[in-house]
Amino acid sequence: EPEVTQTPSHQVTQMGQEVILRCVPISNHLYFYWYRQILGQKVEFLVSFYNNEISEKSEIFDDQFSVERPDGSNFTLKIRSTKLEDSAMYFCASSVQGGSGNTIYFGEGSWLTVV
Amino acid sequence: KNEVEQSPQNLTAQEGEFITINCSYSVGISALHWLQQHPGGGIVSLFMLSSGKKKHGRLIATINIQEKHSSLHITASHPRDSAVYICAVKKYGGSQGNLIFGKGTKLSVKP
Repeated sequence: EPEVTQTPSHQVTQMGQEVILRCVPISNHLYFYWYRQILGQKVEFLVSFYNNEISEKSEIFDDQFSVERPDGSNFTLKIRSTKLEDSAMYFCASSVQGGSGNTIYFGEGSWLTVV
Repeated sequence: KNEVEQSPQNLTAQEGEFITINCSYSVGISALHWLQQHPGGGIVSLFMLSSGKKKHGRLIATINIQEKHSSLHITASHPRDSAVYICAVKKYGGSQGNLIFGKGTKLSVKP
């Protein structure tokens, strides 16, 4: 079964460093998403991306975050200057279409630890 | 107040038991998702509902739009069902991926 793949599975970074989390969505999917889950807390929506632009973002997704689809397969989340509170599991997801009747497929997550 | 509430928070069952996990929400929605987060952290989509009932294998999900309530049932539970089950809703408007998640129900099924 097709799946969303994420790399790295775990990354440790120094506070203030830039981090790029990578995702390969399912090949025929057109809508892409990032979520985060701080340890012990609920999952939170970060951003939706379609047709090479952000379609919606949450309050969490401030100026230190950016997303990009640099080629036909990858979808990246960049955190410009990491803070301790950015430590979390980051999930990439994708769906075929954008309507609410479509299943969202999640990746296994990238665990980011900021020290 | 959380817009999505799940109960119970934790649930321990014996293998073979029938399990029910509940989700209540306080906003108007266009869809409700049931997700499974396995111990490694990855998330799998189980169901997406906008009305009625869906069944997949031993899993059944129901939703009552008027009462703003959904249930996930697991029949003949098995230790491999042990995971965190998460309810997430899509409010009217906005992108499909803009989901509001519940805190999850941690299920442990003992052999």
